[in-house]
Amino acid sequence: RKEVEQDPGPFNVPEGATVAFNCTYSNSASQSFFWYRQDCRKEPKLLMSVYSSGNEDGRFTAQLNRASQYISLLIRDSKLSDSATYLCVVTTPGGSSASKIIFGSGTRLSIRP
Amino acid sequence: DVKVTQSSRYLVKRTGEKVFLECVQDMDHENMFWYRQDPGLGLRLIYFSYDVKMKEKGDIPEGYSVSREKKERFSLILESASTNQTSMYLCASSYVQGNNQPQHFGDGTRLSIL
Repeated sequence: RKEVEQDPGPFNVPEGATVAFNCTYSNSASQSFFWYRQDCRKEPKLLMSVYSSGNEDGRFTAQLNRASQYISLLIRDSKLSDSATYLCVVTTPGGSSASKIIFGSGTRLSIRP
Repeated sequence: DVKVTQSSRYLVKRTGEKVFLECVQDMDHENMFWYRQDPGLGLRLIYFSYDVKMKEKGDIPEGYSVSREKKERFSLILESASTNQTSMYLCASSYVQGNNQPQHFGDGTRLSIL
């Protein structure tokens, strides 16, 4: 089982729709959680951190469910510019040194007019 | 804003050459990372460094080495380039892991080995 798993998609939704996707993680000791977006042939960019209480940034809402070991990203009123790959990132306690940072393989989202 | 700068956006080298990829960050971050990203495989960690002159192997260090002589600069070295090292290389930096800070990425270097 992968340490971090995402549905690769693609999710193809009309403009204005609400879309949500999840990311599951296997290590219950995981500490920090983030969502990144990556446009085609570009670098990943931090979209938002995910806090235990859940957090919202405009049309984007991120939630953490520790009991079921997943994080979610909800996008409301989707725009054409939201088309991208969304990567979830989980930090787990490392071995001898730093924490281990694990990237999911990404979920592709395509918004159609 | 955090700025992570990679020396080249596109690079073409020949098999057997020694290749240097440079990364500089301007936010005094302790941690720096090198990843490669390939279709269907996601980001894979090659090496990381949490302090000057410190380095640790990631998941796929074979065929690579790194150098961190100054805090702001982290270099990835392909000792003898091979065609299977053709990939997108991404550098990232972050504050100390203890605070679990997010990583910030450079623009990436698309490296082709012929």
